[in-house]
Amino acid sequence: QSVLTQPPSASGTPGQRVTISCSGSTSNIGSNSGNWYQQVPGTAPKLLIYSSYQRPSGVPDRFSGSKSGTSASLAISGLQSEDEADYYCAAWDDSLKSWVFGGGTKLTVL
Amino acid sequence: QEQLVESGGGVVQPGRSLRLSCAASGFTFSIYGMHWVRQSPGKGLEWVAVISKDGNNKYYADSVKGRFTISREDSKDTLYLEMNSLRGEDTAVYYCAKARGSFVYYDMDVWGQGTTVTVSS
Repeated sequence: QSVLTQPPSASGTPGQRVTISCSGSTSNIGSNSGNWYQQVPGTAPKLLIYSSYQRPSGVPDRFSGSKSGTSASLAISGLQSEDEADYYCAAWDDSLKSWVFGGGTKLTVL
Repeated sequence: QEQLVESGGGVVQPGRSLRLSCAASGFTFSIYGMHWVRQSPGKGLEWVAVISKDGNNKYYADSVKGRFTISREDSKDTLYLEMNSLRGEDTAVYYCAKARGSFVYYDMDVWGQGTTVTVSS
């Protein structure tokens, strides 16, 4: 069981907006930043969002992150077929003195 | 461009040891923290270990604490993961990843392609 909780699946049609949640606690997301990674099956993960809200250069602005209390969220607007992938949230945990990942959310573009 | 290339994976018997390497290029290796993250077949990402830029701070997942050791050799721009007393549940693709800053609490912004470790008799 993961320290960070994500829904196992999400879906949407092309052009729609989809949101993926990540629930943590005061020792991880509550006191540190949430980060999001995209992984197309068979490839290495890619950083999508860091410091809860920031996008690395090259990541389309269709991807956005937010944080409220002990939860973080990833929103994808204008959904495209190439967005079909697994998405993971991650954060540093002050109590565990370790990084923790969510269990991952498989996004299907219908 | 920033690049990480892992090596050293393979098939190993339970209880044996293996050392993974990660060669970095395209950035100043010595000023960044570095991570190891693994992914078991069909499962999600599991963080394994992190080392700070100077090597003075190292943290491990409970699942590998006391068995795995992360280290770095800045003169060779290389990160290592020494894995001892290997178990079947250590079977995974192991990724090295660059931290976005110098310290252990920085996230992973550049990832290697991964190297596969299979623990089986």
